[in-house]
Amino acid sequence: GENVEQHPSTLSVQEGDSAVIKCTYSDSASNYFPWYKQELGKRPQLIIDIRSNVGEKKDQRIAVTLNKTAKHFSLHITETQPEDSAVYFCAASNGGSQGNLIFGKGTKLSVKP
Amino acid sequence: GAVVSQHPSWVICKSGTSVKIECRSLDFQATTMFWYRQFPKQSLMLMATSNEGSKATYEQGVEKDKFLINHASLTLSTLTVTSAHPEDSSFYICSAPTYEAFFGQGTRLTVV
Repeated sequence: GENVEQHPSTLSVQEGDSAVIKCTYSDSASNYFPWYKQELGKRPQLIIDIRSNVGEKKDQRIAVTLNKTAKHFSLHITETQPEDSAVYFCAASNGGSQGNLIFGKGTKLSVKP
Repeated sequence: GAVVSQHPSWVICKSGTSVKIECRSLDFQATTMFWYRQFPKQSLMLMATSNEGSKATYEQGVEKDKFLINHASLTLSTLTVTSAHPEDSSFYICSAPTYEAFFGQGTRLTVV
């Protein structure tokens, strides 16, 4: 089955700096890669996703890149703000957005003012 | 976007009792619902997939007799934790997939 590895487990940056979180996956059939932001005790919130037919996607300060050959995808947050502090999860699915998600272990991002 | 409503948001129960968690899709029909469990400071792990009108599919290591899933209609899926024990204390969350995965609010279960 699919296995998703996520690094780093914790990340601390200064406000205004960029943050990068990386994930690798094992199942070459995976075709949908969402990123979630989760605040303590709350549901995961989708922040950006990418499908296997796209190499890069950007939404304001957030971007995701996908390298299908290497089976890795990354989240890039630019101009970080204290409110970006949360736990971020990557996930992969081989059923598109309709399939069950296999999550990475999460990255706790701390943005220091 | 689509709305998935999950209740209760938190529950405390005694060991040996059962707890039912409901997940409703409010503005769309969900033929499939995924149930995840999240222990403190850990990731979300898929427990089972419920399908409307048929038996749920459980992930390896998840006891189907302990975690009863019912998907009786296109808008409601329920997870019942039977004979709960302290080790079942966790954050349980459902999701209904459409053009993205819509998550319920989650249920914090504490078994004392």
